Amino acid sequence: QKEVEQDPGPLSVPEGAIVSLNCTYSNSAFQYFMWYRQYSRKGPELLMYTYSSGNKEDGRFTAQVDKSSKYISLFIRDSQPSDSATYLCAMSLYSGGGADGLTFGKGTHLIIQP
Amino acid sequence: DTAVSQTPKYLVTQMGNDKSIKCEQNLGHDTMYWYKQDSKKFLKIMFSYNNKELIINETVPNRFSPKSPDKAHLNLHINSLELGDSAVYFCASSHSYRFSNQPQHFGDGTRLSIL
Repeated sequence: QKEVEQDPGPLSVPEGAIVSLNCTYSNSAFQYFMWYRQYSRKGPELLMYTYSSGNKEDGRFTAQVDKSSKYISLFIRDSQPSDSATYLCAMSLYSGGGADGLTFGKGTHLIIQP
Repeated sequence: DTAVSQTPKYLVTQMGNDKSIKCEQNLGHDTMYWYKQDSKKFLKIMFSYNNKELIINETVPNRFSPKSPDKAHLNLHINSLELGDSAVYFCASSHSYRFSNQPQHFGDGTRLSIL
């Protein structure tokens, strides 16, 4: 079993829809949870950074962490064609990433249809 | 100004050659990393450096040798390139590998293709 599971998609939704992306993980020691967005031929760009369980909102984006279920989610409201990208969840033991670096999911390819 | 920059962006070379990739960060961070993203888009850590010192080396063949001349630079030299080395290599940095109010910042990657 991989440490972090994420459905690779593609996930295709119409513009304006609410998008729900999620990851499950097996290592209960993870404390810090991130969502990165990666456009084609670009590096991962940090979207959301959360610590422990709960919700965090930033504009159209909401990150949710449920440590008891080992499950994290990213919600995108009023989705736009410019949101089309690959979304990677990542997690770590330390806020700086740890010596082991971040543990990533495979990424979900999201397509927003105009 | 680009925070984490890598050169070259693209590298096409033949099997058996030796090549280097360079990374520089202007964020004043202490910790730098190399990740490999394979054809299935899976990002995996290769090396971690803190203040020019190696702190982690995942199960990477010793054909890969990172070097950090100062804490703003982390280069990756690869000897005797093999077909399986074809991937995108990402450099990243963070303020500290332990405690930071920000996780890692990534460069745009070096796309290595082995013929």
